[in-house]
Amino acid sequence: AQKVTQAQTEISVVEKEDVTLDCVYETRDTTYYLFWYKQPPSGELVFLIRRNSFDEQNEISGRYSWNFQKSTSSFNFTITASQVVDSAVYFCALTPGSNYQLIWGAGTKLIIKP
Amino acid sequence: EAGVTQSPTHLIKTRGQQATLRCSPISGHTSVYWYQQALGLGLQFLLWYDEGEERNRGNFPPRFSGRQFPNYSSELNVNALELEDSALYLCASSLDPGRVTDTQYFGPGTRLTVL
Repeated sequence: AQKVTQAQTEISVVEKEDVTLDCVYETRDTTYYLFWYKQPPSGELVFLIRRNSFDEQNEISGRYSWNFQKSTSSFNFTITASQVVDSAVYFCALTPGSNYQLIWGAGTKLIIKP
Repeated sequence: EAGVTQSPTHLIKTRGQQATLRCSPISGHTSVYWYQQALGLGLQFLLWYDEGEERNRGNFPPRFSGRQFPNYSSELNVNALELEDSALYLCASSLDPGRVTDTQYFGPGTRLTVL
């Protein structure tokens, strides 16, 4: 089965706290691609990061960091020192190597309170 | 560089009518994807067009159809509208699905309401 699970439906934290969004995936393909997208209230999906299955390096971009672990089929996303503008729904997605459609998690709604 | 554009922003139809949604990809992108985001159902893949051909479709009935034009823009048609077709329809484009670095970039969406 090809599946993405985001178990956290909603997370609420106070500004400046660190927060981690979990993503667990299932795929039978040995080559696959993982993504995180952000959907602010306006509705447009904003691309954040892409990770290929053969590249397990973690990545940091400013306050954002991603931890990819093939051993646990997880691709978690951490925001350090959260800000109100980070409030959005965050989606984790998978593209199996055998086709090019995005398979989406259910999304995690992140609320950052001032 | 202009991003993916979609029109109209909002569309209101009644049951049984037909809806046409339009998408223009990022310049240079040849692949266009359509997704439906319905309340409670999350994001679901609808259709993928590349170089004018339908390459893949999701688990949707045949009344969901579309096409891609020579300039790579795309149209999604939904016939015999049902109330449950009410959703945000998102279009994405990408440069080359076969490339390791390929990424889908999304437009702002068309919100379809069926009354």
